[in-house]
Amino acid sequence: KQEVTQIPAALSVPEGENLVLNCSFTDSAIYNLQWFRQDPGKGLTSLLLIQSSQREQTSGRLNASLDKSSGRSTLYIAASQPGDSATYLCAVTGTASKLTFGTGTRLQVTL
Amino acid sequence: DTAVSQTPKYLVTQMGNDKSIKCEQNLGHDTMYWYKQDSKKFLKIMFSYNNKELIINETVPNRFSPKSPDKAHLNLHINSLELGDSAVYFCASSQQLSTGELFFGEGSRLTVL
Repeated sequence: KQEVTQIPAALSVPEGENLVLNCSFTDSAIYNLQWFRQDPGKGLTSLLLIQSSQREQTSGRLNASLDKSSGRSTLYIAASQPGDSATYLCAVTGTASKLTFGTGTRLQVTL
Repeated sequence: DTAVSQTPKYLVTQMGNDKSIKCEQNLGHDTMYWYKQDSKKFLKIMFSYNNKELIINETVPNRFSPKSPDKAHLNLHINSLELGDSAVYFCASSQQLSTGELFFGEGSRLTVL
C-alpha cells in the first residue's frame, strides 16, 4: 500500500527566504507526482506535474524534483512571498491509477 | 469560466437524509473523480470514472453512489447520511486516467447533524 509523507508538517519563514518542502513515498512504481497548493476553504490548485520519466519541472519561482528510485520529491520555492502561504500537498499516481495524497505542509510566509 | 464546478458549496442536513452533490467539468477531460477530505485535512479517493465507466471504487459504503450521465458530469448521491459523512467532498478531472494533471473543484462542505 502506497504511503506518502510530507516533512515538515508546518513551516514559518520570513518573506524573501528560499525554502524546500519534502515528500517521500513508499512504492516507487508510480506514473507521476503532482504538487498542489490548497488555500483555506478552497480547492486544490495544481502547481507542477512530474511524469515518472522526468527528473524535475519548473514553473516561475517553483521547482520540483523527483527521484523515483529513492521515493522522494522536493518542492523548492524561491524568494518566498506572503501570498505563498497555503498548505502544499504532494500526490503520487500509482498502480490502478490511484492518486495517493501526502499529509501536507502548512506554510506561513511572514512580512 | 470555472473548469470544474460543484454544487452545492455548503450542505447542512440531518442524519438519515439523502443528498446529492453535482459536478461538471468543461475541460473536455475523459476522467473524473470524487475525493473526501476529512477533519484532519487528509484527502482520499472515493471513485474515479473514465469515459462514464467506473474505474476505482475505494471501499466506500454502498450508501454512496456515483452517477456519470456523460463524460462532463459526475454526481455523488449519498443515502441515509451519518455523522461520519461530514467532510469536504472534492470533484476533480484529468485528461487521462494515469498520466494526466488533476484539476479540482472548490469543494462541497457537508455537515451532518
